[in-house]
Amino acid sequence: AQKITQTQPGMFVQEKEAVTLDCTYDTSDQSYGLFWYKQPSSGEMIFLIYQGSYDEQNATEGRYSLNFQKARKSANLVISASQLGDSAMYFCAMRGIYGGATNKLIFGTGTLLAVQP
Amino acid sequence: GAVVSQHPSRVICKSGTSVKIECRSLDFQATTMFWYRQFPKQSLMLMATSNEGSKATYEQGVEKDKFLINHASLTLSTLTVTSAHPEDSSFYICSARTKAEYQETQYFGPGTRLLVL
Repeated sequence: AQKITQTQPGMFVQEKEAVTLDCTYDTSDQSYGLFWYKQPSSGEMIFLIYQGSYDEQNATEGRYSLNFQKARKSANLVISASQLGDSAMYFCAMRGIYGGATNKLIFGTGTLLAVQP
Repeated sequence: GAVVSQHPSRVICKSGTSVKIECRSLDFQATTMFWYRQFPKQSLMLMATSNEGSKATYEQGVEKDKFLINHASLTLSTLTVTSAHPEDSSFYICSARTKAEYQETQYFGPGTRLLVL
């Protein structure tokens, strides 16, 4: 069975500092993708970053980077130089790819990030 | 990124009435669309997977006769909550899948807040 675990229900970070949001996963799929989404109070789900299980390099997208440690089954999101607008709920998600047995996107429980001025 | 729209953004209805929510992919063709439900301060739960031209696949515990899904074209899927009751009040989010090279990116609509009185 597939499972995503986010152990931090909430976090505070000072503006301009970096923050790491934890995500661990469990899957029997050989090929899979890991996603991070941001959900502000408006409710929309904003795609942030993607990491494929066979990608050798960690994904980066602007201030977002994904610390992918395959052996440990972790895919932590790092936000550098936090901004007040980063305050939101963050969800880690996973899905099998390349016709993997499980092709549904499943989500963790989320981490609420609050950026303090 | 790709744009997914939902209409209406919020709706209030009386108990016993039916409510239709539309989900459109605006700048791409989506062979697969997904419907999620999110209760306050909880994660997204997949309700059903909708493939164009075929019947939707419902997740365990989701009543197919209550949540009717129609995927009439490659850009439109609709969710109809039939005979809505207060316990159906929730945030409903659709998602559409597109392919970008080998990465299947999944984009979300802005969500529909349903309140049943």
